[in-house]
Amino acid sequence: SQQGEEDPQALSIQEGENATMNCSYKTSINNLQWYRQNSGRGLVHLILIRSNEREKHSGRLRVTLDTSKKSSSLLITASRAADTASYFCATVDTGGFKTIFGAGTRLFVKA
Amino acid sequence: GAVVSQHPSRVICKSGTSVKIECRSLDFQATTMFWYRQFPKQSLMLMATSNEGSKATYEQGVEKDKFLINHASLTLSTLTVTSAHPEDSSFYICSARGRGTGGDYGYTFGSGTRLTVV
Repeated sequence: SQQGEEDPQALSIQEGENATMNCSYKTSINNLQWYRQNSGRGLVHLILIRSNEREKHSGRLRVTLDTSKKSSSLLITASRAADTASYFCATVDTGGFKTIFGAGTRLFVKA
Repeated sequence: GAVVSQHPSRVICKSGTSVKIECRSLDFQATTMFWYRQFPKQSLMLMATSNEGSKATYEQGVEKDKFLINHASLTLSTLTVTSAHPEDSSFYICSARGRGTGGDYGYTFGSGTRLTVV
């Protein structure tokens, strides 16, 4: 079953611009993760944020988490053409350890 | 870091035949394996969860007799698509959770198998 929604579904930007993707979920969570997937390939784990954290950084990535609104955002700064991919949020709920994925955002960065 | 090797990466089979997909954890013990299916331009849908040595737990709407999961050892889990039909064509991905994995590094995913049933 799907956990939540992501918006936008698709995003097209110029190289150098920032890209922001949002994710909403429905249940209480243990943590939220962001993954990247290049077309037809496997998943690459980007960053994990725990339910008691509000913000986390990793290189050009910044993730925020608002558990009161059950939402998270992923910001990619100074985007590059190589960032073109689909990005998924995924949650692990407090009751178990299944990872449930959001619908994903397809990002296209134009050189 | 933890690595999951998934094979084959791509397979084409005839309608009515069965296909086996393997996922091996290379440097850790995968106590739990998750199997996902992904249709084009869609998200990953969890199909089933298997713990080593026990029967898999299937998500609602997933036919357990069609998608056979075996997790007989801590390093190997298999998904067999039985009597495959064209509508089973999809991208199948495994994900492993084990001792020493997870935490701040998420779960480890295989590279996926593209199944095409003709």
